[in-house]
Amino acid sequence: KNEVEQSPQNLTAQEGEFITINCSYSVGISALHWLQQHPGGGIVSLFMLSSGKKKHGRLIATINIQEKHSSLHITASHPRDSAVYICAVNHSFYGGATNKLIFGTGTLLAVQP
Amino acid sequence: GAVVSQHPSRVICKSGTSVKIECRSLDFQATTMFWYRQFPKQSLMLMATSNEGSKATYEQGVEKDKFLINHASLTLSTLTVTSAHPEDSSFYICSATTRRETQYFGPGTRLLVL
Repeated sequence: KNEVEQSPQNLTAQEGEFITINCSYSVGISALHWLQQHPGGGIVSLFMLSSGKKKHGRLIATINIQEKHSSLHITASHPRDSAVYICAVNHSFYGGATNKLIFGTGTLLAVQP
Repeated sequence: GAVVSQHPSRVICKSGTSVKIECRSLDFQATTMFWYRQFPKQSLMLMATSNEGSKATYEQGVEKDKFLINHASLTLSTLTVTSAHPEDSSFYICSATTRRETQYFGPGTRLLVL
């Protein structure tokens, strides 16, 4: 079992729909990241969070530390949101944390006009 | 925001040659840089962790003599794929971080070995 699991693996939506991507993890973490990878390959960091909720434009990320779960929401989705969304965590352990990331397998999102 | 560049963005080489990929943090000093590779439709796989002025730490299964990493300064790390073979064809991505946990990713280098 992967330490970071994402669902769904693939998601197709119609333009304007509200989208949710989920991430569950099984290790202690110091931070969780949501990343976006476009077809060209470049990766953009969308959010880094360790508690609560963050919002940037049409994107919202939440995390529940007790349940070891995070969600990424996209409101009013648009075809340009089509990309792979990756959840990653900084593993924390007794005595500290690491900058090394553990990655989920990604969610391929296609938003159709 | 912080910017990380990679050069080259694409490279095609013949089997047996060596290829060097540069990763630069353009507007900040990176205490640590990471090198990843990504095969089609798969997630990123960490290859090694590179700290300025010290030897890189390689992940299990990654040959350090095959993938040479040099972190000469706080803004530059290089990955050299030595004696490249077709199975080394992949997408290589670096990231850079400060003492905080945010990682800034480079745009990636697509390597094709013929």
